[in-house]
Amino acid sequence: GESVGLHLPTLSVQEGDNSIINCAYSNSASDYFIWYKQESGKGPQFIIDIRSNMDKRQGQRVTVLLNKTVKHLSLQIAATQPGDSAVYFCAETSSNYQLIWGAGTKLIIKP
Amino acid sequence: EPEVTQTPSHQVTQMGQEVILRCVPISNHLYFYWYRQILGQKVEFLVSFYNNEISEKSEIFDDQFSVERPDGSNFTLKIRSTKLEDSAMYFCASSEGKKHGYTFGSGTRLTVV
Repeated sequence: GESVGLHLPTLSVQEGDNSIINCAYSNSASDYFIWYKQESGKGPQFIIDIRSNMDKRQGQRVTVLLNKTVKHLSLQIAATQPGDSAVYFCAETSSNYQLIWGAGTKLIIKP
Repeated sequence: EPEVTQTPSHQVTQMGQEVILRCVPISNHLYFYWYRQILGQKVEFLVSFYNNEISEKSEIFDDQFSVERPDGSNFTLKIRSTKLEDSAMYFCASSEGKKHGYTFGSGTRLTVV
């Protein structure tokens, strides 16, 4: 069936280093992908999105890479800061309305 | 920056009671959604709403659930007879288009006792 999954449930990164969070998806029809950040007790916060006609998209300190060949999505955070500590979710959608969410990766920043 | 606003932030209800969760989507958005997240689990889609009707719903969204846009600003989720397993965070979201600018609210934590 359709699914979105994450390789690593927890990622620990030294403050100042770059973080890479990975996501696998199985629905080849998905054409829109979003990364969300969720801090404890809060709602998902939009980080960045990418459409399937692109391989890479950059935002402020974040980059999303899409590899449609292997159905892989990654989020790169440059110069990770303590405020980046959160659970990160990837979500995908195809031709319908709903977002299908991955399980989440908890990013821990070490001082 | 425009926000999706949800009230209440926390609702405690007895099993079998009806609850209404309220949301004010971003004003120029046309698509509205409800998602839920059981503690420690992934976010799950419940329903999407466009042009005053349900456009898509998941298996979770059974007959005990209903949505309504009673006026030009509010979007509500009603659970008619709550069960213990309905305890979760319920997130409202809105978007400009089907694949553009999804914005989520802070959620309502529903606790059924």
